[in-house]
Amino acid sequence: RKEVEQDPGPFNVPEGATVAFNCTYSNSASQSFFWYRQDCRKEPKLLMSVYSSGNEDGRFTAQLNRASQYISLLIRDSKLSDSATYLCGETGNMLTFGGGTRLMVKP
Amino acid sequence: DTGVSQDPRHKITKRGQNVTFRCDPISEHNRLYWYRQTLGQGPEFLTYFQNEAQLEKSRLLSDRFSAERPKGSFSTLEIQRTEQGDSAMYLCASSLSQDNEKLFFGSGTQLSVL
Repeated sequence: RKEVEQDPGPFNVPEGATVAFNCTYSNSASQSFFWYRQDCRKEPKLLMSVYSSGNEDGRFTAQLNRASQYISLLIRDSKLSDSATYLCGETGNMLTFGGGTRLMVKP
Repeated sequence: DTGVSQDPRHKITKRGQNVTFRCDPISEHNRLYWYRQTLGQGPEFLTYFQNEAQLEKSRLLSDRFSAERPKGSFSTLEIQRTEQGDSAMYLCASSLSQDNEKLFFGSGTQLSVL
């Protein structure tokens, strides 16, 4: 079983829609988590960290559910520019990434 | 550009050859990581350094792979006796140890083993 798992998608949504991704992790001792964004043929970039209390940055909200061992990312009012692959993961000495969820926002 | 730089951008080699990649991290970053990524997958951890010390290496990493960071600045990743399964994007990233979830990635080296 992989340490971090994601639905690969793709999620196809219209502009303005709200979309949510989940990501499950297997290590119950993991303390901190994150979401990275990766555009096609580009390197990953940190989108946001995920705290126990949740984290919100504009249209993006990340939540942690320790009981069920998953983290989520909610994107409100989707823009065409949100089209990308979203990588979740956990932070230890190194970052362990999931396989990524592909989002395609259509006009 | 003061970001993470990797060289070369692309490498095509024949099976059985040795290849070496270079990574120059952001200058004030003391941690340096190597990841490998194949199409449709997330980055897979290979190894990381804090300054010049190699602190962790993936259990999945074959002994054909070796990495160095001799002066705590740039790093090299060498793959000996390449195999077709080594074909992937090799990503380098750097960070500050106190902010280790904020990795800055380079553009990667795309390796194709024929």
